[in-house]
Amino acid sequence: ETGVTQTPRHLVMGMTNKKSLKCEQHLGHNAMYWYKQSAKKPLELMFVYSLEERVENNSVPSRFSPECPNSSHLFLHLHTLQPEDSALYLCASSQDQTAANYGYTFGSGTRLTVV
Amino acid sequence: AQSVTQPDIHITVSEGASLELRCNYSYGATPYLFWYVQSPGQGLQLLLKYFSGDTLVQGIKGFEAEFKRSQSSFNLRKPSVHWSDAAEYFCAVGVYFGNEKLTFGTGTRLTIIP
Repeated sequence: ETGVTQTPRHLVMGMTNKKSLKCEQHLGHNAMYWYKQSAKKPLELMFVYSLEERVENNSVPSRFSPECPNSSHLFLHLHTLQPEDSALYLCASSQDQTAANYGYTFGSGTRLTVV
Repeated sequence: AQSVTQPDIHITVSEGASLELRCNYSYGATPYLFWYVQSPGQGLQLLLKYFSGDTLVQGIKGFEAEFKRSQSSFNLRKPSVHWSDAAEYFCAVGVYFGNEKLTFGTGTRLTIIP
């Protein structure tokens, strides 16, 4: 148990589907992150939320839409994805936005396959 | 901006042998440095971190890392690897001021042979 739970673990979706990834943490952390992990590439930071406010959006296509309804939950809504969006999507949390001081706690990820 | 380089994409060692994984960073001041491990199909788990003080830091699972400012390095070591250490290892650097976030290296895949 890492303290950060992601569901589902695996997801296969067609390019016209709409789905959502869910992340939940009960560590009392105030910052949450979405990362994309593709083969042979560094982890790509997608979104940062601090105290439920989006503080960073790293030029992510609009087919990815994050939502942070409270400090414990983070969603990534997906629609009209492309095959190149297939990857492992990792959620992480940190005590606050000064992540450098504490590091991150990661979830186990959602393995997304777009067909 | 800070950056991290892990020059070895894949390393193979025999069980019981010693291990050293390399990490070099680029940053103008003393960074915060981390090593994470990722087992297949899993998220990343923190092995150890360096903030300040003693340049040799101990982590979980028998790992240690040494910060060498003159070489801008933070190499991970283990004196005797176990088959369960087979995984992917990521070095990361964080900055102290500003919009803090971690920058990760591309990872080193470790294979253990009997």
